[in-house]
Amino acid sequence: ETGVTQTPRHLVMGMTNKKSLKCEQHLGHNAMYWYKQSAKKPLELMFVYSLEERVENNSVPSRFSPECPNSSHLFLHLHTLQPEDSALYLCASSQAQAGANVLTFGAGSRLTVL
Amino acid sequence: QKEVEQNSGPLSVPEGAIASLNCTYSDRGSQSFFWYRQYSGKSPELIMSIYSNGDKEDGRFTAQLNKASQYVSLLIRDSQPSDSATYLCAVIQSGGSYIPTFGRGTSLIVHP
Repeated sequence: ETGVTQTPRHLVMGMTNKKSLKCEQHLGHNAMYWYKQSAKKPLELMFVYSLEERVENNSVPSRFSPECPNSSHLFLHLHTLQPEDSALYLCASSQAQAGANVLTFGAGSRLTVL
Repeated sequence: QKEVEQNSGPLSVPEGAIASLNCTYSDRGSQSFFWYRQYSGKSPELIMSIYSNGDKEDGRFTAQLNKASQYVSLLIRDSQPSDSATYLCAVIQSGGSYIPTFGRGTSLIVHP
């Protein structure tokens, strides 16, 4: 495996389900990110884990909870989602440094909430 | 709120023409600027980064940065149908941040 891998690629869930998205990076990077991508909207940063620090977008609802057990793995736990949460969820990693910070993205997990 | 603005398009150009994509940003102290390309159904990938005022060329791509006017642009020369994609502008703002802020992207269509 190389780069950033995300599973599952597609997920359909009901509003009462609990599911998780998984991301793994094989690049030796020290930062991992979750972004939400909705049609016609900018990429929305949800969470960042970097050097044991967690940064979060305060507008993200609590029904999304991240977990980063080590520098190579990142999860996004989902529970009691709403239909408006349907979107493409992108994981990314980088070698974080102020200024020059290039992200490598995974292929994304397409989430549909019924 | 610090923002990165792009015209969502679509921008339609004929094959062989120059495509010009523009991005403006609100934080005057921004220090790093990136262009990512995203094909339909795929994830974004970096194509250019620029940190200093002026032009930076890489093959058919040229990034232009004007910090005084707070804009960054991407020129694609000899556009090909394979360049059809959404182009995302990303900016790392001031204050020691490393997290980029993305624009909504400009859809480019290159027609034969």
